[in-house]
Amino acid sequence: DAGVIQSPRHEVTEMGQEVTLRCKPISGHDYLFWYRQTMMRGLELLIYFNNNVPIDDSGMPEDRFSAKMPNASFSTLKIQPSEPRDSAVYFCASSHQPDTEAFFGQGTRLTVV
Amino acid sequence: KNQVEQSPQSLIILEGKNCTLQCNYTVSPFSNLRWYKQDTGRGPVSLTIMTFSENTKSNGRYTATLDADTKQSSLHITASQLSDSASYICVVDTSGTYKYIFGTGTRLKVLA
Repeated sequence: DAGVIQSPRHEVTEMGQEVTLRCKPISGHDYLFWYRQTMMRGLELLIYFNNNVPIDDSGMPEDRFSAKMPNASFSTLKIQPSEPRDSAVYFCASSHQPDTEAFFGQGTRLTVV
Repeated sequence: KNQVEQSPQSLIILEGKNCTLQCNYTVSPFSNLRWYKQDTGRGPVSLTIMTFSENTKSNGRYTATLDADTKQSSLHITASQLSDSASYICVVDTSGTYKYIFGTGTRLKVLA
């Protein structure tokens, strides 16, 4: 398996635009996590899915953020409209069980200008 | 409030030397504690996972310890290599919520 695959690796967008980040988890993993990492706040859990169902989205900062997992091999994180303070690195991770090792993707570096 | 604090914030050592990174947590309930290594521009990679009943776990030159009574953990790196230069993040998993509490990391630089 190629690991967790995220796209794009880098995204630069103007304030107000819609941004969609994509993630392909490791095949067979039942749990998928979306994280945001900034210098000030470190890594923060935004939302996680179990078997494609969102379980906890309390980390999603605002209604501008939404996440979907239409099938076991694909998830998206959407920001609409984007704001400069959304600039961060967004990581997707997957695991077989939540208390086992989580594998992270390479991340998407988002810059909103 | 659930918190994970790491020290030092940054560390510079010479290649071949040993070092120890610290993690103190005030997380309750407690499920497990993980150490991750994050290279610049890449996602974190798991080094160790320890449950409440484990007090030490090794992964090559990395050895993690856990004292659940004092709520402290350490990551010891033996015979450091240039490739050990990275950020090391301590993560505590609270029971049943899957909300990992992340430390802000220790940035380690190994010099030749």
